[in-house]
Amino acid sequence: NAGVTQTPKFQVLKTGQSMTLQCAQDMNHNSMYWYRQDPGMGLRLIYYSASEGTTDKGEVPNGYNVSRLNKREFSLRLESAAPSQTSVYFCASSELGEGIAETQYFGPGTRLLVL
Amino acid sequence: GQQLNQSPQSMFIQEGEDVSMNCTSSSIFNTWLWYKQEPGEGPVLLIALYKAGELTSNGRLTAQFGITRKDSFLNISASIPSDVGIYFCAGQLEISNAGNMLTFGGGTRLMVKP
Repeated sequence: NAGVTQTPKFQVLKTGQSMTLQCAQDMNHNSMYWYRQDPGMGLRLIYYSASEGTTDKGEVPNGYNVSRLNKREFSLRLESAAPSQTSVYFCASSELGEGIAETQYFGPGTRLLVL
Repeated sequence: GQQLNQSPQSMFIQEGEDVSMNCTSSSIFNTWLWYKQEPGEGPVLLIALYKAGELTSNGRLTAQFGITRKDSFLNISASIPSDVGIYFCAGQLEISNAGNMLTFGGGTRLMVKP
């Protein structure tokens, strides 16, 4: 199993350009998440999808949209990129269990630079 | 939003030394997780803690879920060069069908001198 995969690994955009970050998991997990990681700030949740067909905002959703395409795939879209969106983006997934917290498994990240 | 204060922010130690790092919060968490992130990779889970007072080991790593449920620590014994990386604590407030939302600490960057 590949676990959680993300594409692309690196991307450079100009201000105002749009792009979609792709994420897929092969663990049959119900829940998927998008985080951004900035120096000294840990990971902050952008959006999450508790199950196929649902999406909800996280801590820092402004400037982003998401699509839970199916159970495997969860994409993050930047409609008009801004320099403040320069960051490393991580996708994660978890199996939502009953009565006990399930851990999240992370992809390798997408490094985005907005000029 | 919720915040986790993780300390120290960085450590530079000699191989063989023990390491201790901790996270504190003003909020009560139901679950504490510790992750390690190596350069160019995503975080990888090290230890998960589910009950207040729980002490769990994974090889040379030991973590505890604080009795107040507002803190957790991670110890690494007899450090080796491959322990280098950034260690993150993460707390989970509640389990619900709205997803397992985690709050992350700012990370502790560990450097080990051979």
